[in-house]
Amino acid sequence: GAGVSQTPSNKVTEKGKYVELRCDPISGHTALYWYRQSLGQGPEFLIYFQGTGAADDSGLPNDRFFAVRPEGSVSTLKIQRTERGDSAVYLCASSLRVQETQYFGPGTRLLVL
Amino acid sequence: AQSVAQPEDQVNVAEGNPLTVKCTYSVSGNPYLFWYVQYPNRGLQFLLKYITGDNLVKGSYGFEAEFNKSQTSFHLKKPSALVSDSALYFCAVLTSDTGRRALTFGSGTRLQVQP
Repeated sequence: GAGVSQTPSNKVTEKGKYVELRCDPISGHTALYWYRQSLGQGPEFLIYFQGTGAADDSGLPNDRFFAVRPEGSVSTLKIQRTERGDSAVYLCASSLRVQETQYFGPGTRLLVL
Repeated sequence: AQSVAQPEDQVNVAEGNPLTVKCTYSVSGNPYLFWYVQYPNRGLQFLLKYITGDNLVKGSYGFEAEFNKSQTSFHLKKPSALVSDSALYFCAVLTSDTGRRALTFGSGTRLQVQP
């Protein structure tokens, strides 16, 4: 079956611009997670959703980052006033329920110039 | 708080030889442990997990891992390495306790299998 998909696969933007990254989870998965992976490091948690609500957003680095999942399926990660330090690969994962295996998408590589 | 340590940045092994990639963890409560593999320019691919039960867990592509509670370790192993196993491997942990529901990852270990 279809796995987790993410668009775009690559995004180049200028400092100060706004970007949106999209995640389409595996059908039927109720939990959705966003992680950020910087070069040479393991993924770091940003936010996770159980259904439509953000159950834990403690990993968001600051208020420039925001994510939504309005219908309990597709999620969008939004970054305002991008900074060069935001450059990373943004990974999305979904699981059937919380604490079950998370399946990852291919990621969106964001480069802020 | 939960944390994962992968003490080796890189592991080199000859094709056909056994391989081990080390992982130790720290959590409150019972751990749920995972191994993922990442190939260049691709997302993380699930290999195996330990939730409860038998300490030796078998996963995809001939990989296995042994949960050792006293040593708080979950080392990844394979009896005979293939060149195609060369990739970046991540250990990750969840806790059974309420609270944090997202994975905490180690920093990764690059496995290089030489022909």
